[in-house]
Amino acid sequence: DGGITQSPKYLFRKEGQNVTLSCEQNLNHDAMYWYRQDPGQGLRLIYYSQIVNDFQKGDIAEGYSVSREKKESFPLTVTSAQKNPTAFYLCASSMAAGGSGELFFGEGSRLTVL
Amino acid sequence: AQSVSQHNHHVILSEAASLELGCNYSYGGTVNLFWYVQYPGQHLQLLLKYFSGDPLVKGIKGFEAEFIKSKFSFNLRKPSVQWSDTAEYFCAVKNPATSGTYKYIFGTGTRLKVLA
Repeated sequence: DGGITQSPKYLFRKEGQNVTLSCEQNLNHDAMYWYRQDPGQGLRLIYYSQIVNDFQKGDIAEGYSVSREKKESFPLTVTSAQKNPTAFYLCASSMAAGGSGELFFGEGSRLTVL
Repeated sequence: AQSVSQHNHHVILSEAASLELGCNYSYGGTVNLFWYVQYPGQHLQLLLKYFSGDPLVKGIKGFEAEFIKSKFSFNLRKPSVQWSDTAEYFCAVKNPATSGTYKYIFGTGTRLKVLA
C-alpha cells in the first residue's frame, strides 16, 4: 500500500544527544514536510522540501536539520541545540509544489528527552 | 506572517447537536484551504478541501465547510454530530512561500468531545 512510513514510533534520548527520525514515502510525491505537534499549539512547520537536494526552513527550524538526497526520503535530525525537543513529530508529503493537493501524513514519531 | 486562527479550543457537544468550528486565515491572495481530523491514536486525515469554485465544500462523514473570502474564513460544520466524531480538528491553508515553494500553515486545533 502507498503511504508514509515514519520510524521509530517512540524514541527516548538523553540530553545532549542528536537523534534522527526517518520518513519514507512511496507515493511518488515531490514535496515533503516535517511538523512538530505540541498540545494546544497545533502543527508547526520545521522544514520542507519541494525537490531533491533542496529544502527550506519552516517557522521553527532552529535546532533541527534535514536532508533530501532521494525523492522518497526526508530524514529529520533533532540536534542537541534544540532546547525543547520532547514532542510528537509528523512527516507529510504532497504531490507537487503547486496545485491544490493536500498533505498526506505519517503516523508520527514521539520523542522524549530524558 | 501568515497565520491560521481557530478560536474554539475545546468544544463539548451532545450527540445530535449541530457543530460549527471557526477558522480564519490571514493570507490575502489565492488560497487552498483544508480541514484535517485526528482521531485518538490515529494519524491526521483529510476531511475536506477548497481550492476553487463552489465555496460550499462537502467532505467525508457528513462534514462541510464554507469559504467566505470577504471574511477570510473557512468554518467547518456538521448538522448532527455523533460520538465517533470525538477528535481534534485542524484548519490549514496552503500558501506560496519563497522561490516557488509552498507552505501548509495549520491552526492550533479544536478538541471536540461528543457526549453519548
